[in-house]
Amino acid sequence: GQQVMQIPQYQHVQEGEDFTTYCNSSTTLSNIQWYKQRPGGHPVFLIQLVKSGEVKKQKRLTFQFGEAKKNSSLHITATQTTDVGTYFCAGKAGTASKLTFGTGTRLQVTL
Amino acid sequence: NAGVTQTPKFRVLKTGQSMTLLCAQDMNHEYMYWYRQDPGMGLRLIHYSVGEGTTAKGEVPDGYNVSRLKKQNFLLGLESAAPSQTSVYFCASSYQGHVEAFFGQGTRLTVV
Repeated sequence: GQQVMQIPQYQHVQEGEDFTTYCNSSTTLSNIQWYKQRPGGHPVFLIQLVKSGEVKKQKRLTFQFGEAKKNSSLHITATQTTDVGTYFCAGKAGTASKLTFGTGTRLQVTL
Repeated sequence: NAGVTQTPKFRVLKTGQSMTLLCAQDMNHEYMYWYRQDPGMGLRLIHYSVGEGTTAKGEVPDGYNVSRLKKQNFLLGLESAAPSQTSVYFCASSYQGHVEAFFGQGTRLTVV
């Protein structure tokens, strides 16, 4: 079945440093979504990418969808303590009705 | 507008007991999902539904059953709880399968 892996599993940065998490699917995706889960909270939708090679920005966050639509990345510029949490990618393959989540990357930011 | 509501929020079960987790959404969404979240495993899909009266298996369906008798509700049942089912359970819903999913607050279940 479809598998979605994320790396790294965990990253600890100092405030102000950049952060990137990578998402790789075993199958071609029709779209990719990104979610953020704060500690003790539930996943909250951030963005969706649909087109091959698409790049979207939300303030300090940059999201990219690979040309082959099998990978994606999330880059945070100049991290802040409010960025702490686990970031998940989620993809839907073709006509499949289910959304498959990646394994997540936990980000810790310290002053 | 409550969004997605899960009940209960916490529960402790003894091995072999049964229980039902309730998910209710007030957004008229067609799709509903049940996920479990375990450390280092991300969110794994248990069962999902693409509309009232329909259900389908996800990645880890064994030991669970679901029902979607009403569009707004999606029930997850554990017939005979096992310690391996200790987890945080999240319900989610979406208008269609390829748009954003809205999550409930989660149910923390411990089976002893």
